[in-house]
Amino acid sequence: GAVVSQHPSWVICKSGTSVKIECRSLDFQATTMFWYRQFPKQSLMLMATSNEGSKATYEQGVEKDKFLINHASLTLSTLTVTSAHPEDSSFYICSAGFADTQYFGPGTRLTVL
Amino acid sequence: GENVEQHPSTLSVQEGDSAVIKCTYSDSASNYFPWYKQELGKRPQLIIDIRSNVGEKKDQRIAVTLNKTAKHFSLHITETQPEDSAVYFCAASKGGGYQKVTFGIGTKLQVIP
Repeated sequence: GAVVSQHPSWVICKSGTSVKIECRSLDFQATTMFWYRQFPKQSLMLMATSNEGSKATYEQGVEKDKFLINHASLTLSTLTVTSAHPEDSSFYICSAGFADTQYFGPGTRLTVL
Repeated sequence: GENVEQHPSTLSVQEGDSAVIKCTYSDSASNYFPWYKQELGKRPQLIIDIRSNVGEKKDQRIAVTLNKTAKHFSLHITETQPEDSAVYFCAASKGGGYQKVTFGIGTKLQVIP
């Protein structure tokens, strides 16, 4: 139990385009999901907390107009990287809480050309 | 906010030897301390966790200790095996699944056969 999936697993896009990443809790309901970004050989940095039915809470330094988060249902949160640039290339990982533990999705590798 | 420091950043041990990774945290309100193992390009996998009402927890070859007074916690891996090679992250949180998690910088463990 407690499986979190992400789609797509990898995406390549041109600079200036927008990319949407989905995070789903497959066998449980998640009122809270988290979005992290991980650059090569670095740690996971929390970008925002996604709350079902309300606005996301962004960490300091994360542009909310650039990284749009929508948590429209108890099993789905989406992260849209708007007007992506090469510096947005990274590994994006979501997580969801279940039974007092956080479970991570498999991650999405974004490459912006 | 919470700040988690982790060391060493890299660790090489001979197969069969023990490995120890140490972390400190800054927020005395943190009460949940998970450890994650991440293989290259994969999601972080929870390997063990400890809560603030416990001083030590063990699961086969893995153990974690917590010193609340000193605000530090450690991961101990005994009888290391090549498959233990990965990046290990410590983390701290004010709760379990529903609170944001702050990660340490990570320790790259290499077990030499």
